[in-house]
Amino acid sequence: EDQVTQSPEALRLQEGESSSLNCSYTVSGLRGLFWYRQDPGKGPEFLFTLYSAGEEKEKERLKATLTKKESFLHITAPKPEDSATYLCAVQASETSGSRLTFGEGTQLTVNP
Amino acid sequence: SAVISQKPSRDICQRGTSLTIQCQVDSQVTMMFWYRQQPGQSLTLIATANQGSEATYESGFVIDKFPISRPNLTFSTLTVSNMSPEDSSIYLCSVVTAGGTWEQYFGPGTRLTVT
Repeated sequence: EDQVTQSPEALRLQEGESSSLNCSYTVSGLRGLFWYRQDPGKGPEFLFTLYSAGEEKEKERLKATLTKKESFLHITAPKPEDSATYLCAVQASETSGSRLTFGEGTQLTVNP
Repeated sequence: SAVISQKPSRDICQRGTSLTIQCQVDSQVTMMFWYRQQPGQSLTLIATANQGSEATYESGFVIDKFPISRPNLTFSTLTVSNMSPEDSSIYLCSVVTAGGTWEQYFGPGTRLTVT
């Protein structure tokens, strides 16, 4: 059974204080690992897809990396508008269709 | 990506009644899904909406409770039947667009409260 564990559950940062979110996964053949941002009362917003170990992707202050067991979402010099819940999900290559298995998320708060 | 809309955005319903949620996409997509997000929790896949045929349900979800239709490549509905307070959740549709990637894009969600 595919499993995704995110840590920490919640993270409070001061504006400009860089940090990382962790996503550990167990999957029978990884097709892709996905990062989403979710604001309260809204649907998840797609951020990144990573397909293979060693891959990295960047978008503004966010950088996602992938190993064979985990992914990190690095946040550099965060701003208050980066406050949101960040979700990690995996898609198994052996799964029919495109089912995503989600972690519980990390709730990030960036204080000014 | 794709622009996805859902109707209604929120509703308050009485137990025992049913609610149908609509998902409309602005372009043809290869796959459509329905997820549930219970309060304070992450997303759980309910089913894959198949065009012109019966949906494929995940373990723990059944057609009698969550009937799904997908009459074409841009539209799907999810009905929550015989509702109870435990059905209070956010219901989200997601799509995979044509183009060879497996990225899923989500609609804004429907917040359902059952009293």
